[in-house]
Amino acid sequence: GENVEQHPSTLSVQEGDSAVIKCTYSDSASNYFPWYKQELGKRPQLIIDIRSNVGEKKDQRIAVTLNKTAKHFSLHITETQPEDSAVYFCAAYPGYSTLTFGKGTMLLVSP
Amino acid sequence: DSGVTQTPKHLITATGQRVTLRCSPRSGDLSVYWYQQSLDQGLQFLIQYYNGEERAKGNILERFSAQQFPDLHSELNLSSLELGDSALYFCASSQDSGHPSDTQYFGPGTRLTVL
Repeated sequence: GENVEQHPSTLSVQEGDSAVIKCTYSDSASNYFPWYKQELGKRPQLIIDIRSNVGEKKDQRIAVTLNKTAKHFSLHITETQPEDSAVYFCAAYPGYSTLTFGKGTMLLVSP
Repeated sequence: DSGVTQTPKHLITATGQRVTLRCSPRSGDLSVYWYQQSLDQGLQFLIQYYNGEERAKGNILERFSAQQFPDLHSELNLSSLELGDSALYFCASSQDSGHPSDTQYFGPGTRLTVL
């Protein structure tokens, strides 16, 4: 089955800095890669996703890049704000079974 | 609001007891997924139902069971509860059309505390 590794587990940045979270996956059949944001005590919410026929996707301050050859994808947050503080999960979908999630990255943005 | 509802919000019970968690998927979604999230764990996939039938199984204990009803709502039954079962239990739903765009939408979760 699919295996997703996510790094780092914790990331601390100053407000205004950029943050990058990286994930690698094992199954080359994976073709859909969503990112979820989970604030403390709340539900995971989809913030951006990318499909295998696209190398990069942007939505305001958030971008995701995908390298299918290397089997890794990354979340980039620019101009971080304190409200970006949360746990971020990456996931991969191999077209069978279900989404496999990484273990999460706790992002802390200090004012 | 994702459109996925879960009840109850909080549940406090004792070891050895049995509880039922309920989930209603978004309108039109055929798949329901159950996840367990403990303090130091990520999202642990438990089980998926699609249109009333079990489709995928993850790390679900034998003490746990689930079902999806004809109206597509789902219930997760947890029995012989142990202290370690205390966690947030999330339900998610998706259309699961078979296309690689089947985003999962999560409900607000049920916080289970076993004393």
